[in-house]
Amino acid sequence: DIQMTQSPSTLSASVGDRVTITCRASQSISSWLAWYQQKPGKAPKILIYKASSLESGVPSRFSGSGSGTEFTLTISSLQPDDFATYYCQQYNSSPLTFGGGTKVAIK
Amino acid sequence: QVQLVQSGAEVKRPGASVKVSCKASGYTFFTGQYMHWVRQAPGQGLEWMGWINPNSGGTNYAEKFQGRVTMTRDTTISTVYMELRRLRSDDTALYFCARARAGDYDYWGQGTLVTVSS
Repeated sequence: DIQMTQSPSTLSASVGDRVTITCRASQSISSWLAWYQQKPGKAPKILIYKASSLESGVPSRFSGSGSGTEFTLTISSLQPDDFATYYCQQYNSSPLTFGGGTKVAIK
Repeated sequence: QVQLVQSGAEVKRPGASVKVSCKASGYTFFTGQYMHWVRQAPGQGLEWMGWINPNSGGTNYAEKFQGRVTMTRDTTISTVYMELRRLRSDDTALYFCARARAGDYDYWGQGTLVTVSS
């Protein structure tokens, strides 16, 4: 199974900050990586697919990069609605696997 | 608009079974996209359980759930089902269905809370 390791597990930031979350795969997954945002008690929402493609309707302050084994999600200017937990997911091979999550909290 | 509407919360005893439904609407080809199931234990991350091909009924389950889970579909009502048997306390979780594209998920159900308690 491909292990997905996210860092940090939590981060504290202020509105307007630039935030970067990292996701590492235990083996190459090419660009088959998605990023999701989840708020408590709600279903995840897709932000980025195929490592760097912005999902329709998602604000342009979200961006993704990387390929192979190392990926990043960047929020260019954190907004109040962005305080949430973020997950990466690989869909290169079965079983599909998720990172452990990064909780973005208010500083 | 695309919607995946899941059945309501369930409380089960250890050893029992639960069957969760997920009804799709708002898109023409229900049989055209795989449906996956993902669960989330309280305070924990996301765990992939498997998928069903609504066209053929073919399935692929995570090894962890092999022998305990069955995913089925009813194309006449655009609904998929996930049945989990021999429930344990650590099966207590929020269960989601999610519509897959290449393996990423563009739409999710609202989640069904399954509580296993004696």
